[in-house]
Amino acid sequence: KAGVTQTPRYLIKTRGQQVTLSCSPISGHRSVSWYQQTPGQGLQFLFEYFSETQRNKGNFPGRFSGRQFSNSRSEMNVSTLELGDSALYLCASSLSGQGDGYTFGSGTRLTVV
Amino acid sequence: AQSVAQPEDQVNVAEGNPLTVKCTYSVSGNPYLFWYVQYPNRGLQFLLKYITGDNLVKGSYGFEAEFNKSQTSFHLKKPSALVSDSALYFCAVRDFAGKSTFGDGTTLTVKP
Repeated sequence: KAGVTQTPRYLIKTRGQQVTLSCSPISGHRSVSWYQQTPGQGLQFLFEYFSETQRNKGNFPGRFSGRQFSNSRSEMNVSTLELGDSALYLCASSLSGQGDGYTFGSGTRLTVV
Repeated sequence: AQSVAQPEDQVNVAEGNPLTVKCTYSVSGNPYLFWYVQYPNRGLQFLLKYITGDNLVKGSYGFEAEFNKSQTSFHLKKPSALVSDSALYFCAVRDFAGKSTFGDGTTLTVKP
């Protein structure tokens, strides 16, 4: 079956711009989580969506937002980009987000210049 | 707040030797514990999980992990390491609400 698909794979944006990243989970998976991965900070949890509702949220500023659609696809938006937002953004899906393991996408590499 | 500690940034072992990658955690209530592996230029892959039951859980690629409640540890193990096991390993804990926290990762290098 198809894995978790993230688009685009690479993005270059300018400070102050906004960006939208997309994630299509594995069919049947209702939980989608987003993580920011950087060399210095490791994997930082952004938020989790389940059945179109944000169920958990990490400690990121309000510039980071997301949503989930009825088909479980999710988008993440970052407004007013800062240089420090440069990172690999990973999407992970799971059946319920409880006791099942995540399946990760390959990520979107965002570079802010 | 929940947390995960992977005390070793780097673990080096010789091929054929047993390996252990350490993980300790802190979480309210009963934990869900996971191990993931990230190979170079590839995404994170799920290795194994502990939810309840036997303290020794088996996962992909011959890996296993031992849950120790009293020591709040969930160490990853493999009886005989392969060069192809060289990768970055992450331990993660998830609370009952579904919020996951990852450790900082441990780079495993297996030398021939």
